[in-house]
Amino acid sequence: NAGVTQTPKFQVLKTGQSMTLQCAQDMNHEYMSWYRQDPGMGLRLIHYSVGAGITDQGEVPNGYNVSRSTTEDFPLRLLSAAPSQTSVYFCASSSADRGYGNTIYFGEGSWLTVV
Amino acid sequence: AQKVTQAQTEISVVEKEDVTLDCVYETRDTTYYLFWYKQPPSGELVFLIRRNSFDEQNEISGRYSWNFQKSTSSFNFTITASQVVDSAVYFCALQSYNTDKLIFGTGTRLQVFP
Repeated sequence: NAGVTQTPKFQVLKTGQSMTLQCAQDMNHEYMSWYRQDPGMGLRLIHYSVGAGITDQGEVPNGYNVSRSTTEDFPLRLLSAAPSQTSVYFCASSSADRGYGNTIYFGEGSWLTVV
Repeated sequence: AQKVTQAQTEISVVEKEDVTLDCVYETRDTTYYLFWYKQPPSGELVFLIRRNSFDEQNEISGRYSWNFQKSTSSFNFTITASQVVDSAVYFCALQSYNTDKLIFGTGTRLQVFP
């Protein structure tokens, strides 16, 4: 992959627990985002950031929190895990070179199970 | 509203067959971008192609080719002489001109049997 690193790759949580999925990119990309992938639903945008200090909600933001203190890092926090948050999570980044349609590069995914 | 439809949930072919994966999109934007990603069994998302809405030329890359037709809002993907390694889930996605957000289709699972 093109420099997007996610950790952990696998995680099992109990209902009500909190955790943070880490995402880092080394390409100096301004734009970072989190998607979740569920069977039969493709990928859906959770939160995104257009630069350090700026975040916004995507299509399915409830139950998740993000912050962007540096260009490189964009952690996703599950505040109180629920079984409905069992999913595969992908972090993504892209440059802000608008003239060419920004190719979005994805991390390898984080498999989260909430029991 | 923007939407991407991949009506084929699963396709099975025998090696060396040609296969076309369909993608139909909806958008009111005049400038937009279309993408195809491959997700092999290992789970990562692999970028295959990006297409600008103003460029309707078909593209060929080895055994892969893409047919973009604005008149039918379609961006279909053909694999020629399929191989077992092509087995994966393929996603089509739409991006507006002024955002990096991707709208994904639900994906097509391609199984290529030897």
